[in-house]
Parts: sequence; C-alpha cells; structure tokens
Amino acid sequence: QLQLQESGPGLVKPSETLSLTCTVSGGSISSSSYYWGWIRQPPGKGLEWIGSIYYSGSTYYNPSLKSRVTISVDTSKNQFSLKLSSVTAADTAVYYCARLSEQGDGGYYMDVWGKGTTVTVSS
Amino acid sequence: DIQMTQSPSSLSASVGDRVTITCRASQGISNYLAWYQQKPGKVPKLLIYAASTLQSGVPSRFSGSGSGTDFTLTISSLQPEDVATYYCQKYNSAPIFTFGPGTKVDIK
Repeated sequence: QLQLQESGPGLVKPSETLSLTCTVSGGSISSSSYYWGWIRQPPGKGLEWIGSIYYSGSTYYNPSLKSRVTISVDTSKNQFSLKLSSVTAADTAVYYCARLSEQGDGGYYMDVWGKGTTVTVSS
Repeated sequence: DIQMTQSPSSLSASVGDRVTITCRASQGISNYLAWYQQKPGKVPKLLIYAASTLQSGVPSRFSGSGSGTDFTLTISSLQPEDVATYYCQKYNSAPIFTFGPGTKVDIK
C-alpha cells in the first residue's frame, strides 16, 4: 500500500528557507502514471496547492508562490522535496505531500496524501 | 485565473437528511473537478473525481454531478461520521489545482 511521509524542521525563522521532504514507500516515484505534489493549510484555513512534479523533474507551481518555491525529485531515494524561501508568519501551515493520479482523459486528482507536517515560522 | 466558489459556507442538518453542496467555477472546466472530505484534525480524503466518479471505498451515499461551471456534491443520508469540511477542487489537463473555500457540515 502506497504511503507518503513528510519530514523536515517544524520551526523556521522568518526570512529563512523552509525545506521539507516527502518519502514515498510501497510504490515507485518513477511510475509514469503519476505526478507528485505539495499542498498546505494554514491554521483554521483552507487548502492551497503549492506545486507538482513528475519523476523526470518537470514542475508546475502556484503562480502566487512561484517566485519562492522550488520542488525537486530524487528517484534514487524515492523522495521529492519542497523549498520555500523568504518565509514569513503567513507561511505557517500544515504541509502535505500527495500523489496525483491521472483522470484518464487528462487531468489529475490527489488520491493519496501524507499525514502532514506542521511548520511554524517564528523567531 | 479561474476562481472556485462554494455554497453554503456552512450548514447544519439532521442525521438522515439529504445534503447538497454547490461548487461553481468562474469559467468552464469540463468535468475536471474533485471533492475532498476533511474531518476535524485529519488529512483530506478524496471522495469524487471527474465530477461524478466515486473513489474506491467511499460510501455510495456520496455522489457528485455537474459539468462546465456548476457542480454539486450530495450526501443522500447524512451520517454522524460525515461531519467534516468539504472542498471542491478544479484541475486542468496539467497538474495545476485550485481549491474552493470549503463547506463545513455539522449535525443539528
């Protein structure tokens, strides 16, 4: 059974870079059928898509975050990672990674999620 | 950018009631729409994709419909375990996503 697990520091200082890794187990990140993504949820608020990556390294980013986001993949470790630079308190959130499955006639939906990791931005 | 709206923002209904949540896209998105359920303190769970396809393992009391700009999620008989916030999400032929603001469902 496919599982995703987020890892990384729970506390980041303002202006620094947030770095998280998602480790995929029970399946290969190199499968041609899937993309992989990052989503976040500030306390008490809704869900926000951050970006998506294919095992080849092809990426898509949320335009509102694009200038600060880098998503990368390491197929040898079955992991993908998120870096968010110049963080502020507004970046405090639960960060989730997810598998993105193809609908069949195009389009992707998020069918497997990690448990999420809380990141607080504070000095 | 295509914006997603949901209505109502919250609702309270009795066990056994039929519940309908509406999601609207500011432009047509074909059937590129998913619904997620997030119970308090839990991870979001995929309920429906392609506007009306029920994800494996999801109870049949959940159903989705619509195409273009207007979509609905229906719970045919509300159960206590359905207390959650429900999000619609649009996607494209590329893995680019926008979530709706959510609808919180409680038991009356």
